[in-house]
Amino acid sequence: GAVVSQHPSWVICKSGTSVKIECRSLDFQATTMFWYRQFPKQSLMLMATSNEGSKATYEQGVEKDKFLINHASLTLSTLTVTSAHPEDSSFYICSASKGAVASDEQYFGPGTRLTVT
Amino acid sequence: LAKTTQPISMDSYEGQEVNITCSHNNIATNDYITWYQQFPSQGPRFIIQGYKTKVTNEVASLFIPADRKSSTLSLPRVSLSDTAVYYCLVGDKWDTGRRALTFGSGTRLQVQP
Repeated sequence: GAVVSQHPSWVICKSGTSVKIECRSLDFQATTMFWYRQFPKQSLMLMATSNEGSKATYEQGVEKDKFLINHASLTLSTLTVTSAHPEDSSFYICSASKGAVASDEQYFGPGTRLTVT
Repeated sequence: LAKTTQPISMDSYEGQEVNITCSHNNIATNDYITWYQQFPSQGPRFIIQGYKTKVTNEVASLFIPADRKSSTLSLPRVSLSDTAVYYCLVGDKWDTGRRALTFGSGTRLQVQP
């Protein structure tokens, strides 16, 4: 159990357009989901924390108006990259926490590779 | 989460045992040590977690000395498919299970035939 999916797995978009990435917990309820970004050969960097039914908390330096996060249900969080630019090209990864249920680990999605042309 | 230090990269050959050491001098009493594995273009995957002495599962072993200021992830008889980046994280169970994780640079393991 404890599977997290992401859709799409990869996407190519033109500069100036918006792209939505979905993160779903398939077999558990995720009260909290996290969005990370990873550039080539670098580590994961936290972008924001998403709690179901409330506004996301963004890390310093992450533009909340550019990276829109919606956590509408206990199994779905979405990240929308608005007015994408080539520098937004990256690997976006979400993870989900079981919250009140005791767990030693977080569960990561497979990632979404975004390429902005 | 406590700061960790790992080697940037390691090379090995198929069939060898690989030991990756992580330093965490500021580990707190309630902290656990957790290792994640990340294959290229995939999300990280939990490998193992421990508090002290030795923990073993079907994938790896984790050795933690008495002072807990370091830990060693041991991968027995690696294969080409073990080529990945390995991250060491330190934090209490509440943090590692529920809060955002702070990933260091990790150790890039390259297994050669």
